Amino acid sequence: SYELTQPLSVSVALGQTARITCGGNNIGSKNVHWYQQKPGQAPVLVIYRDSNRPSGIPERFSGSNSGNTATLTISRAQAGDEADYYCQVWDSSTQDVVFGGGTKLTVL
Amino acid sequence: QVQLQESGPGLVKPSQTLSLTCTVSGGSISSGGYYWSWIRQHPGKGLEWIGYIYYSGSTYYNPSLKSRVTISVDTSKNQFSLKLSSVTAADTAVYYCAGTGTDAFDIWGQGTMVTVSS
Repeated sequence: SYELTQPLSVSVALGQTARITCGGNNIGSKNVHWYQQKPGQAPVLVIYRDSNRPSGIPERFSGSNSGNTATLTISRAQAGDEADYYCQVWDSSTQDVVFGGGTKLTVL
Repeated sequence: QVQLQESGPGLVKPSQTLSLTCTVSGGSISSGGYYWSWIRQHPGKGLEWIGYIYYSGSTYYNPSLKSRVTISVDTSKNQFSLKLSSVTAADTAVYYCAGTGTDAFDIWGQGTMVTVSS
C-alpha cells in the first residue's frame, strides 16, 4: 500500500517561513492535499491538488509537489498557524485514500 | 453551504456494532458528484480513512477495515451511515464524516467521540 511520510514536528520563528514535507514514492505524479487541524477541531483543507488554495485560506499558504516530495509552505508564520498538518493523496491504482502521519507545527 | 453532522452513541460495548449517521444539510447528498466518507482519529494520533460511498451506493473501504465496515446511504433522508462490527478498544476514536467532490475532503463534520468499553 502507498505510504506518506511526514516529519513529526517542525518549528518556525514568528514571521518566518515554515516548510512541511510529505514524502512518497513518485508523489509528484499524484494530487496532494493538505489539512490543518487545531486541537479539538475537525481538519480544514488548506491546499488542494498540490498548490491550490480554497477560498478563505490566506495567500501565506502555498504548496508544491515534485519527484518524491510535496511541500506545504507557510510564509510569515503566525501564532494562529500552530496546528497539526496532514498531507493526503488518493491512490488511483488501489482507490485508497492515504493520509500522512501528520506534522505538529510550533511557532516560536 | 453544505454542512455535515455526525450522530450516534458515544459508548459502545466490545464485540458490538458501532453505528453512526451523518446528516447532510444545505445541499442534496445526490448532487454535485460528491463522494461521502468516514474518517477516524485515535486519541492523540493521525487521520485514518475508513471508506467512502457515492450517492448511487457504490462503496470502497480501507482494506485494513473492510471485513468489518459497511457504509450506506439514504438519499430520502440526506444521510449516510457507518457500521463497524466486532469493535474493540482499538476502535475508540473520534469519527468524522467528510465529503469530497474531487479527491480532497473539503467538507467535514465536527466529529463525534466513540468509546468502546464495557
